Amino acid sequence: DAMVIQNPRYQVTQFGKPVTLSCSQTLNHNVMYWYQQKSSQAPKLLFHYYDKDFNNEADTPDNFQSRRPNTSFCFLDIRSPGLGDAAMYLCATSSEGTNYEQYFGPGTRLTVT
Amino acid sequence: GQNIDQPTEMTATEGAIVQINCTYQTSGFNGLFWYQQHAGEAPTFLSYNVLDGLEEKGRFSSFLSRSKGYSYLLLKELQMKDSASYLCAVRDPEGPAGANNLFFGTGTRLTVIP
Repeated sequence: DAMVIQNPRYQVTQFGKPVTLSCSQTLNHNVMYWYQQKSSQAPKLLFHYYDKDFNNEADTPDNFQSRRPNTSFCFLDIRSPGLGDAAMYLCATSSEGTNYEQYFGPGTRLTVT
Repeated sequence: GQNIDQPTEMTATEGAIVQINCTYQTSGFNGLFWYQQHAGEAPTFLSYNVLDGLEEKGRFSSFLSRSKGYSYLLLKELQMKDSASYLCAVRDPEGPAGANNLFFGTGTRLTVIP
């Protein structure tokens, strides 16, 4: 089945230790998004790729970076995780053909110790 | 800027009908989505409205009034599995052409009781 896959589902990292979260999709969608969602809060868009074009939200900290080596894969790099970065990280995809409905992966829950 | 308001929590009885309201103020508008999110899981798509009126899909219906900046999600014949958060999201045409970012409300946590 075509889908959005995120690995790992649960990630534990130490304060200040770089961590990478990965997302892959078999939907062949041209837009990929990374959201941060903390408990009882709305998903907050960090950045997105429209094809290869990277679009950073104005209030996304520099600590968060992203890479998209090809259509199928997108990575979220947190260079120096702080305790406040503990959250669920959601990857989503969309395309013009779906009215830009966003398809979400299962998320990666990040714990910072 | 964008502002989306939803009630924080609602409780309803199994078999009943519940209406979850969403009001929005945005600089632009290009559609409204409702997503369901169970605890610890990703949001899943429920409905999409871009024109005024009611869209019905099985037990779920969604209504939009663009002039009032208002939408609601109607859930009929509630089941225990409907206990979840329901997120209202507005598509923002101010983003890069074609990208159409979504701005989410904080969600309404619905608890269905026997």
